[in-house]
Amino acid sequence: GESVGLHLPTLSVQEGDNSIINCAYSNSASDYFIWYKQESGKGPQFIIDIRSNMDKRQGQRVTVLLNKTVKHLSLQIAATQPGDSAVYFCAESLSGGSNYKLTFGKGTLLTVNP
Amino acid sequence: EAGVTQFPSHSVIEKGQTVTLRCDPISGHDNLYWYRRVMGKEIKFLLHFVKESKQDESGMPNNRFLAERTGGTYSTLKVQPAELEDSGVYFCASSLGVQAFFGQGTRLTVV
Repeated sequence: GESVGLHLPTLSVQEGDNSIINCAYSNSASDYFIWYKQESGKGPQFIIDIRSNMDKRQGQRVTVLLNKTVKHLSLQIAATQPGDSAVYFCAESLSGGSNYKLTFGKGTLLTVNP
Repeated sequence: EAGVTQFPSHSVIEKGQTVTLRCDPISGHDNLYWYRRVMGKEIKFLLHFVKESKQDESGMPNNRFLAERTGGTYSTLKVQPAELEDSGVYFCASSLGVQAFFGQGTRLTVV
């Protein structure tokens, strides 16, 4: 698959456990952050986003935490399922203006063991 | 509604040849982006169109890469002549605002 040879950080969890994936972002001026999930052979799929005026946002089974002081973003997945196995990317952007180009992190390979 | 579609899904070409990648964004999305992921690296921004205009092409690696979006609908990314280091996965994304939707990517292999 695409992840072969990439030497991504990896996280291996048991089905049903909670997963926490961490990301350090680079630009202190970024004000919009997104987590994407990428399965083999597919493009990045939007999971959840958060703006810089928030420090926590919850979705279905997922929670994103933002710590602007240390430029850290985390994704928590509750009751992880085998279908959650994928590479997870954080991305940052400046939402002002009209160019919403994304700067991606390295990605984390999540493997869920049944 | 159809998502972002890219063609081809895979392309294997020899060094020095030309390849053209195509992206069809979600209908109505004015913003169209090209990104690529070279093996072992992060996904990197290449350029951004707003309708048919190039808004930001700061990520284009060199003048062997040419992107167009005639008519503000689909976009093409041409690599001419291709080099070995151009191998990777090329993603297209489109958006109305900040939330971008990605295509499945084109895996380009230059041999």
